[in-house]
Amino acid sequence: EVQLVESGGGLVKPGASLKLSCVASGFTFSDYWMSWVRQTPGKTMEWIGDIKYDGSYTNYAPSLKNRFTISRDNAKSTLYLQMSNVRSEDTATYYCTRERATRGVMDAWGQGASVTVSS
Amino acid sequence: DVVMTQTPVSLPVSLGGQASISCRSSQSLVHSNGNTYLHWYLQKPGQSPQLLIYRVSNRFSGVPDRFSGSGSGTDFTLKISRVEPEDLGDYYCLQSTHFPPTFGAGTKLELK
Repeated sequence: EVQLVESGGGLVKPGASLKLSCVASGFTFSDYWMSWVRQTPGKTMEWIGDIKYDGSYTNYAPSLKNRFTISRDNAKSTLYLQMSNVRSEDTATYYCTRERATRGVMDAWGQGASVTVSS
Repeated sequence: DVVMTQTPVSLPVSLGGQASISCRSSQSLVHSNGNTYLHWYLQKPGQSPQLLIYRVSNRFSGVPDRFSGSGSGTDFTLKISRVEPEDLGDYYCLQSTHFPPTFGAGTKLELK
């Protein structure tokens, strides 16, 4: 069974940094592009970015590129999202997803990690 | 960014009835390779989103044939026939023809 389990969410102050993790199981992690998507409390969905199966290439939504970094450790089957200089508008549930051949086709989602940015 | 406009925002339906959700894009979603990257997701209450339809009309594994996707260019539709209780939730369209991928605002399918 394919599973993606995020962790690392919580309450953080504006300007702080936070790193989310996503542990994958049930499939060969190193065969897949992976991505992060977030959903605000108002239910707005936003694609954050993705990373090639070998970690050699990343893409980011332009609005987030300067503050968010996606990385992976294939030996640990783990995907990461480093968030820096967080703002209140980063308050959201962050989902780790598996991409199926094509960007935008996300055939597996984690349960989500909740991040709240507040002083 | 490509703006995805979903209508209606809320869609009351009766069990066993039919539902139709529209998704319109601010630009054509036909890629230079000829493919159209428009996908549909369902988020059931309290759950993560799940893939329903990819590239306009391809049902993902395990998705019942009650779900069908159609459309071209800038105008797309998701139809659900014989609505069942497990179909209730928030439906989102997503385009990935243009970078960055962008979602519609969602349509809430609820009981009438």
